[in-house]
Amino acid sequence: LQLQEAGPGLVKPSETLSLTCTVSGGSVTDGTSYWGWIRQPPGKDMEWIGSIYYNEKSYNNPSLESRVTISIDTPRNQFSLKLRSVTAADTAIYYCARHAGKLVVRIDSWGQGTLVTVSS
Amino acid sequence: DIVMTQSPLSLPVTPGEAASISCRSSQSLLHSNGYNYLDWYLQKPGKSPQVLIYLGSTRASGVPDRFNGSGSGTDFTLKISKVEAEDVGVYYCMQAIQIPPTFGGGTKVEIK
Repeated sequence: LQLQEAGPGLVKPSETLSLTCTVSGGSVTDGTSYWGWIRQPPGKDMEWIGSIYYNEKSYNNPSLESRVTISIDTPRNQFSLKLRSVTAADTAIYYCARHAGKLVVRIDSWGQGTLVTVSS
Repeated sequence: DIVMTQSPLSLPVTPGEAASISCRSSQSLLHSNGYNYLDWYLQKPGKSPQVLIYLGSTRASGVPDRFNGSGSGTDFTLKISKVEAEDVGVYYCMQAIQIPPTFGGGTKVEIK
C-alpha cells in the first residue's frame, strides 16, 4: 500500500490549504481501513487532524474542527483535506495515512509527507 | 486532551547495548477490552514515521524482535534489546484510546 500527498507547498494567510492523498496498491473502500491526516509543525509535536471512512463519515480534532473538511473520492481512490483560514501556525509537514480502526490505532501506512508553508 | 510525556529527550547509545524509552500518559490508556491503546513509532531521519508497536505490546508486521513494548495504564516502556545503527531516529508514543489521539514529544536516539 502506498500513499502520496499532493498540493501547493505555499499558501497565503487567510486562504484555504488543500491537499489530496492518492492511494495505490489498495482501495479506499477497504472496510478495515480508515484514512487520516496528521501534521508535524517544525519543532513541535505531531498533531492528528482528522480521519475518514469509505462511507464518508469523518471525524476531526476538536481543536481544528471549525476549519477542517476531510472528504473521500472512491472512484479516484483518493481522500482530501481542506483547512480554511490558515495562519503561520498551520505551517507543517502534512502526512496522509491509513489506520486500522476508528480509534486511531496502528497507523501502518504513511505518505512521504508534504511541507506546506503559510506565508504571504 | 490526553498529555503524553516521554523521557529522555535524547538517548545516545552504543551499538549492541540495550536502550529504554519511557512514556507516561495523563490518563489511563487501558480499555475495558483489556488492551492498552498505546502505539510506538520510529521516524528515521528524512523519513515518515513507521509503526513499531501497537496496543501497548504487539509488534507490527516486519518489526525485529529486539523491539519490545510493555506497561499498562499510564506508564509504558519501549525497550530495544541490542541497538543497531539502523535504529537511529526519533521515537514517539501515541495514545489512541481517546479522540483526538495525541503524541509524545519524541525521544531522539543516536549512536555514540
